[in-house]
Parts: sequence; structure tokens; C-alpha cells
Amino acid sequence: AQSVTQPDIHITVSEGASLELRCNYSYGATPYLFWYVQSPGQGLQLLLKYFSGDTLVQGIKGFEAEFKRSQSSFNLRKPSVHWSDAAEYFCVLTGANNLFFGTGTRLTVIP
Amino acid sequence: SAVISQKPSRDICQRGTSLTIQCQVDSQVTMMFWYRQQPGQSLTLIATANQGSEATYESGFVIDKFPISRPNLTFSTLTVSNMSPEDSSIYLCSVELASSYNEQFFGPGTRLTVL
Repeated sequence: AQSVTQPDIHITVSEGASLELRCNYSYGATPYLFWYVQSPGQGLQLLLKYFSGDTLVQGIKGFEAEFKRSQSSFNLRKPSVHWSDAAEYFCVLTGANNLFFGTGTRLTVIP
Repeated sequence: SAVISQKPSRDICQRGTSLTIQCQVDSQVTMMFWYRQQPGQSLTLIATANQGSEATYESGFVIDKFPISRPNLTFSTLTVSNMSPEDSSIYLCSVELASSYNEQFFGPGTRLTVL
């Protein structure tokens, strides 16, 4: 069965600091993986996606994620966080047209 | 990409009433979906809206409670019937484009509060 785990419910970082959000998945085949961001009062925006090929994928807003099959992980990173990055982040796995969402990680950015 | 709009953006409803949420896309799409996001939680797929046929519901969701229409390739509605406070959630529609396999674009959501 497919599942996505985001171990960190809430993370707080200082503006300018680096960020890593963890995501682990369970899937019986090659996964299609996404990171979405949901800002307060707004819809979901796709940050980046991994289908195949290069395991380090670049996304919008300076985010990147690395797919590690051996660890069943797809962690999201950003070298320097901006205050506007405060939001809820969802790691998502897809299978047969359905998206399986992780529980989300809420990011708080402090000055 | 696709531009998706939802109406209403938010509503406050009384217990026992029903609310219909509209989802409009700016281009023809094959796949449209409806999700629920309960307070403080992640998204759960309610159903896939099929054009010209009955929607395909996920486990735990039934047509009597969440009837869905999809009259054409750019529009769908979700009705939340006989509402209770437990139905208070954000309801989101999403679409998948033929050119973006397995990637879904989301509407802004409808925030529903049931008193």
C-alpha cells in the first residue's frame, strides 16, 4: 500500500538559515513524488516533482529535493529561508491518478 | 498549467442544509478531483469527477453525502449534503492535464464552516 510520512509536524527556523523537510514514502514501484506548498488562506502550489532521471530536482522559489531510493526518502531543502516561506508543506506520492498526501509540515520562520 | 476557480470561497452554513461548490477550469481537462482538508490535517481524496458518468468515490465517501456533477470538461460541482459540524473543512478541486501526467493543479479551495 502507498503511504507518505512526514515525521516533522512543525519546524521553526530563523530567516536566512538552511532548511530540510523530511519525507519518507512506501510504494511498490517507482514513485512519482511531489512537494506542494500551502500558504495561509491560499491553495496548493507545486514546488517540484520527481518522475525519473536525475535524483536531485530543482523547483521554484529556490527549493530542491533529492530522491533516495535506498532510503525511500524525498527530502526538501532550501539553503536560505525567507520569511515568505512560512507555510504548510506537503510531500505527495502519486499512484494511478490518485495523490497520496503526507500529513504536512508547518514551517515557521522567525526574524 | 491551468487556472482553476472555485465558488464560493467560503461559507457558513446551518446544520442539516446542503451546499454546492463549483469548480471552473480555464481549459478542457480529462481528470478532475475533489479533496477535503479537515482542520489542521492533510488532504483526502473524496472522488474523481467523471465527465458523462457517475463519479468514482474513495472509501469512506458516498454519493448520497457528496453528490458530484461533471457536465463538461471544464466544470464540476460538489454538494455537501445534510451538513453537520464534522463537515467543516476546506474543499478543493484539482485537475490533471493530459500534458502533465500525474501532476495536479489545485483550486484555491472553499472553506466551509457548519454551525
